[in-house]
Amino acid sequence: QQQVKQSPQSLIVQKGGIPIINCAYENTAFDYFPWYQQFPGKGPALLIAIRPDVSEKKEGRFTISFNKSAKQFSLHIMDSQPGDSATYFCASQGGYQKVTFGTGTKLQVIP
Amino acid sequence: EADIYQTPRYLVIGTGKKITLECSQTMGHDKMYWYQQDPGMELHLIHYSYGVNSTEKGDLSSESTVSRIRTEHFPLTLESARPSHTSQYLCASSDRGNYGYTFGSGTRLTVV
Repeated sequence: QQQVKQSPQSLIVQKGGIPIINCAYENTAFDYFPWYQQFPGKGPALLIAIRPDVSEKKEGRFTISFNKSAKQFSLHIMDSQPGDSATYFCASQGGYQKVTFGTGTKLQVIP
Repeated sequence: EADIYQTPRYLVIGTGKKITLECSQTMGHDKMYWYQQDPGMELHLIHYSYGVNSTEKGDLSSESTVSRIRTEHFPLTLESARPSHTSQYLCASSDRGNYGYTFGSGTRLTVV
């Protein structure tokens, strides 16, 4: 089974810091790379996504960096806030295929 | 408002009971999925459907069954619940032209 490897498993940062979560994929047929945010007691929600024809995408304080040659992508959260404390999942998808999720990163932003 | 609904949110039942977890979406999405998520966070796909009368087993073996008689409805059934079925069950849907998944809020199942 094609995997998406996500790291770190957990992350603690101070308010205002820039947490970075990394993912690596194997399948070169993947053409869509979303990130999901999940708060306790809720289902994951689509946060931001990127296609492999660009190297970076920003939406507000969230940025995806994409390295096609290395088959890696990462999520950066600028000026992180306690309200960003959640679990983040990277994912990869290609064509009509099902999404392959990473194993998740639990982020805690302390005041 | 377009959304995906799961009921019940919480369920505590005894061993051996038959249960059905409900999932409905109002977005007309073709594809629907069931995931199992334990406190360790990882999402495990247990069933999926690409349309009416289409159902497939996912990557994680499950003793549950699903049906897709209507586009908007994708219930999951456990014929005889066991403590090992205790988990959170998440339903999701996606449109064929939109890669993003929309998740429900989940059903937290406890089998005692």
